Amino acid sequence: DTAVSQTPKYLVTQMGNDKSIKCEQNLGHDTMYWYKQDSKKFLKIMFSYNNKELIINETVPNRFSPKSPDKAHLNLHINSLELGDSAVYFCASSQEDYGYTFGSGTRLTVV
Amino acid sequence: AQTVTQSQPEMSVQEAETVTLSCTYDTSESDYYLFWYKQPPSRQMILVIRQEAYKQQNATENRFSVNFQKAAKSFSLKISDSQLGDAAMYFCAYGASRQLTFGSGTQLTVLP
Repeated sequence: DTAVSQTPKYLVTQMGNDKSIKCEQNLGHDTMYWYKQDSKKFLKIMFSYNNKELIINETVPNRFSPKSPDKAHLNLHINSLELGDSAVYFCASSQEDYGYTFGSGTRLTVV
Repeated sequence: AQTVTQSQPEMSVQEAETVTLSCTYDTSESDYYLFWYKQPPSRQMILVIRQEAYKQQNATENRFSVNFQKAAKSFSLKISDSQLGDAAMYFCAYGASRQLTFGSGTQLTVLP
C-alpha cells in the first residue's frame, strides 16, 4: 500500500498547455504539501494545506493553483506552462512536524 | 526565516569506512524537528533519521547516527560501515510549524 501516491510519474507537454498532478495519502495525516525540486536538486516548498485549508503559499506564479477536495487529496494544476516550470514536483504529507512522507515525484518536462 | 546550510556539496567514502555529513541551521524556535533524507537516483525521498529538538540524546538508526548540538545549531549525520547502496544525495531538513526547509544537499559517492 503506497502511503503517498502521486500521478503521473512523468509528464511531457508543450509550452502553453495546462496540466494537473494528483496526489493522495492514506496515512491519515492532517497536512499535505507540494515541493518543487529544480535542476540543481534544491527543494523548495510551494504550498501546504492543513485539513483542506491553505496555510502556506510561497511566492509562486499564480499559474500554479492547488486544490484540496478533502484532507487525503491535494492536486496541483498548472496553467500556461513555461519552459522554466520543468522540474520534479513532490507531494508530501505530515502529521504535525513529526514525520514527513513524500510521494515518488513527478518529473515535468515542458518543451 | 529558517535556513539550513550544508557546506559539503560532494563527499566520497570508501566502502566499509565511516563518513560524516555536516549541517547547520538557523532558527529562533525552541521546539522543532531535524531530519536527514536520502535521495537515490530513483528520486524517491527516503527518511534516514529524525531528531526531536527537545531530546538531548542523539538519534541512531542502525548504521546511521547524528550528532545534534542544539546550542551550536549543528546536526551532522554519521554513516558507519558505508555500503554501495548508501550512494545518494543526502538532504538535511528542519521542520517546525508544519513547514519543512531543506539544505542544498550533499552528493555522497561510495567507492568500492
